[in-house]
Amino acid sequence: GDSVTQMEGPVTLSEEAFLTINCTYTATGYPSLFWYVQYPGEGLQLLLKATKADDKGSNKGFEATYRKETTSFHLEKGSVQVSDSAVYFCALRYNQGGKLIFGQGTELSVKP
Amino acid sequence: GAGVSQTPSNKVTEKGKYVELRCDPISGHTALYWYRQSLGQGPEFLIYFQGTGAADDSGLPNDRFFAVRPEGSVSTLKIQRTERGDSAVYLCASSTTTGAANNEQFFGPGTRLTVL
Repeated sequence: GDSVTQMEGPVTLSEEAFLTINCTYTATGYPSLFWYVQYPGEGLQLLLKATKADDKGSNKGFEATYRKETTSFHLEKGSVQVSDSAVYFCALRYNQGGKLIFGQGTELSVKP
Repeated sequence: GAGVSQTPSNKVTEKGKYVELRCDPISGHTALYWYRQSLGQGPEFLIYFQGTGAADDSGLPNDRFFAVRPEGSVSTLKIQRTERGDSAVYLCASSTTTGAANNEQFFGPGTRLTVL
């Protein structure tokens, strides 16, 4: 079945470091791909998305490119801030189905 | 405007009891989803509604779980004969429709259920 796998956390970085959180997926069709973020004490929020192969989603300095050939959607940011500390979830969704299929989440901790 | 709200925020119950969890979606959103998030895991899909009807209930783990949305707005997730393994955060999300690629799901803060 369809699934999403993320790199295990926690990931601990110093402020201004480069961030990569790996995400790969298994899908029988052509899903849309998403990154959600859960800040401490808050609900899940959509960070960015890409709806087809080679699309790049971006928001708040974060980017991810939909790579069909490697079935990946890695999250990157050039310079992280303490305020980026959160749990990040990669997810896929088929347009017809509606439901999101999430990875297990990767906790990011950014130290000043 | 108001986001998705869920009540209660916390629910502690004893094994074997019945619980109801409520979700108020964003006004005008026709699609509503329930997910369950266990500690250290990503959310797992339970059920979604398009209007009043359950369009996909394939994620409900067993027949102790049931959800309704009688008027196409508020939804209630019902769990009978609760078990300790039901302990999790139950998340609700809503969106304008289910089909289009650009329709974002907006999540509520969740209800933390603890079964003793």
